[in-house]
Amino acid sequence: GQNIDQPTEMTATEGAIVQINCTYQTSGFNGLFWYQQHAGEAPTFLSYNVLDGLEEKGRFSSFLSRSKGYSYLLLKELQMKDSASYLCAVRDTSGTYKYIFGTGTRLKVLA
Amino acid sequence: ETGVTQSPTHLIKTRGQQVTLRCSSQSGHNTVSWYQQALGQGPQFIFQYYREEENGRGNFPPRFSGLQFPNYSSELNVNALELDDSALYLCASSPQGAGELFFGEGSRLTVL
Repeated sequence: GQNIDQPTEMTATEGAIVQINCTYQTSGFNGLFWYQQHAGEAPTFLSYNVLDGLEEKGRFSSFLSRSKGYSYLLLKELQMKDSASYLCAVRDTSGTYKYIFGTGTRLKVLA
Repeated sequence: ETGVTQSPTHLIKTRGQQVTLRCSSQSGHNTVSWYQQALGQGPQFIFQYYREEENGRGNFPPRFSGLQFPNYSSELNVNALELDDSALYLCASSPQGAGELFFGEGSRLTVL
């Protein structure tokens, strides 16, 4: 089967660090993506991992372990504007070409 | 550079009707994909078009169909609407072979 799991909700404090985990089981794998989605808006791209290891982009980093089917998104120096849903998605190229999204993690940043 | 645009932004239909949603891809992007996002859920992949051909499809019934035009714009058609079709429909475009998806703002469909 194909499945992506991530926590439903997380809460953190402004200025802190938060790690959002994602585990996946898919028939094929050709990259893992993280998107940010503010309420009522379209998702926007944050990061992409296709090889194992850490990708860093300013305050955001993403890690991938293909053997464990595991990724995390790390957000540092949290700001109020980081309150949003964070979507983990896998590009699966087995059979038909498709993207599989998790249900998203709603992050609340408190002052 | 114009981003992905979708129309209409909101619409209300009744059960059994048909709807057409439209998407203009970002300049230079030849791949378009469509997603259904129910409230509180992640986007569900409907299908993808590359150079006017469908090259990927998710677990949606045949009453969900699409087209891509020579200018890479696209349509999503849904026949025989059901109450559960109420959702935000997102269109995303990407350059050939690239992974990052660029999303439009979506069309919010309500089926009564």
